[in-house]
Formats: sequence, C-alpha cells, structure tokens
Amino acid sequence: LAKTTQPISMDSYEGQEVNITCSHNNIATNDYITWYQQFPSQGPRFIIQGYKTKVTNEVASLFIPADRKSSTLSLPRVSLSDTAVYYCLVTGAGNMLTFGGGTRLMVKP
Amino acid sequence: DTGVSQDPRHKITKRGQNVTFRCDPISEHNRLYWYRQTLGQGPEFLTYFQNEAQLEKSRLLSDRFSAERPKGSFSTLEIQRTEQGDSAMYLCASSLAGGLNYGYTFGSGTRLTVV
Repeated sequence: LAKTTQPISMDSYEGQEVNITCSHNNIATNDYITWYQQFPSQGPRFIIQGYKTKVTNEVASLFIPADRKSSTLSLPRVSLSDTAVYYCLVTGAGNMLTFGGGTRLMVKP
Repeated sequence: DTGVSQDPRHKITKRGQNVTFRCDPISEHNRLYWYRQTLGQGPEFLTYFQNEAQLEKSRLLSDRFSAERPKGSFSTLEIQRTEQGDSAMYLCASSLAGGLNYGYTFGSGTRLTVV
C-alpha cells in the first residue's frame, strides 16, 4: 500500500490559488491518485482523481508528473468555504480507501 | 435517493452500555463500509460488506464491535460494553463493487461520546 505524505496544514487568503502537494514514492503501476475534502462534522467528499498528467474539473485541477511519485491539488481562487481538510489517497481500483492525516487548509478573509 | 444516511447523528452513552448505529447506503450501491475517525485524524477503515457478506474486518474491530447487513441494504454497527476510547465519529460509505475509488459516498457520520 503506497504511503502518502502531505503538509499537515496550510494557510491562504480568499481569492488566492492554493496548491497542496502530496508525495507517494511507492505508487504502483495500477494505482490512481484521489483527493477527498472533509468539512467539520461531515464525511469526506470526492474532489478529483487522476492517473497521470493533468486532470481538471469544476472544483480543482490535479497535476501528476511523469514519474507519478507526487501530485499537486490546485484550488483556484479559494473562498472561506474552502476551509477544510484535504486528503490525498493512492489506491488501485476496487481497493479500500486508506486515509492519512490530511492537510488542514485555512482560508482567511 | 439523497445519499448515505446515518442515524443517529449524535450519541452520548455511559461507559459499559451498548450502542447501535444505522447506515442506509445509496440504493444501487452493493458495497458498504464502516470507518472510524478520531479528532484530528483521518478516517480509519473498520469493515466492509459486499451485499450481505462481510468481506473484510480491520484489526481495529475488537470483539466488542459487530456489524451486520442482513438484506444487503442497510447496515448496523453495534458496540458492546462501550469504553471511553470508543468515542469517535463513525462514518459509513457505500460504492459499487469494482468501481473506481471516486465512487465512495460517505454519510455525515454518527458522533459517539462515551462518558
């Protein structure tokens, strides 16, 4: 099971772009990289998933370099409501989700 | 279908009492998972079902914990003889078997406080 390492916390201001990097040196060929978001007193919510290069949806972008040993979640123009914990997960299709400690993002006015 | 429902949202119990939580998954999802989350930590896997079969249990799941999914629909998680260390958020999620992991949908959890 590939272990992930991400910063414990980050601070940002409204309107800024936030980049959260996750390292996963032992990622396997069949593994995907998935990011979840969790607000207090709620369950985690899927944000984005990718295998390589770049993936973009209406919420975020995910950048994955060619060696796939790291990935960067990019949140454009954050608002106060983006204050949450963000989890980076690496797993194969159909496998259990294994969460680490996540990154606590605080967006300030 | 509005998603995964968990009941109750909050439960306060005295040490030594038994508690039972319920999870109603998304109706077409055949997999159901239980996770536990303590303050400041990420969710930890406890167990999962595919239809009514319990396929995997974590070592975190002591003998005091039991989970069922009798008809392959809703599931219950029971904790017997609760201890203060059981205080946590208990999260339920559901998905389709074999689907990519973005298919997990989590409920809002049941927060257990053992006093």
